[in-house]
Amino acid sequence: GENVEQHPSTLSVQEGDSAVIKCTYSDSASNYFPWYKQELGKRPQLIIDIRSNVGEKKDQRIAVTLNKTAKHFSLHITETQPEDSAVYFCAAPMTNEKLTFGTGTRLTIIP
Amino acid sequence: DSGVTQTPKHLITATGQRVTLRCSPRSGDLSVYWYQQSLDQGLQFLIQYYNGEERAKGNILERFSAQQFPDLHSELNLSSLELGDSALYFCASSPRGGSYEQYFGPGTRLTVT
Repeated sequence: GENVEQHPSTLSVQEGDSAVIKCTYSDSASNYFPWYKQELGKRPQLIIDIRSNVGEKKDQRIAVTLNKTAKHFSLHITETQPEDSAVYFCAAPMTNEKLTFGTGTRLTIIP
Repeated sequence: DSGVTQTPKHLITATGQRVTLRCSPRSGDLSVYWYQQSLDQGLQFLIQYYNGEERAKGNILERFSAQQFPDLHSELNLSSLELGDSALYFCASSPRGGSYEQYFGPGTRLTVT
């Protein structure tokens, strides 16, 4: 079926180290891949997105890479800080243009 | 602040009751999406409206319905409430009907007792 798989479900890293979260999608026609950050009890916030015509996009300490052939995309956070602790969701559009979200990764930054 | 507003912030009601959640999209956005997020769960897509018309349907129960009004605000109606309906309900808006960047509102926390 149409889905987005996200790994790992939980991730703990030392402050200052890098974190990588990976997603795979099933619909080869998908052309837009956003990442959302959700702090406890708050709304999901769009932090970065990438379209299928580029392979990588960076915004300060955050980057997203896309491999269309393998249908993978990843979120990279460098020089992690305590405020990066949150749940991160990837998403990809499936049929009817609806965004399908991954199951989320709970990232904990250890001071 | 995303520019998407939702009311109320919190809602506590009893089983069997009916509630209405309201969402106002960002200025200029034509699409509204509704999502349900149960405790420690992901975001389940319920339904999408674009410029007043239903555009896509997800895992929305028959007890739930929604509409988008001419001023583009949207309402999600939940009826015959069950304990399992307790969740955070988010709406999001985007400029167009496609799955381009969606901006989420602060959510309505529904507790069914």
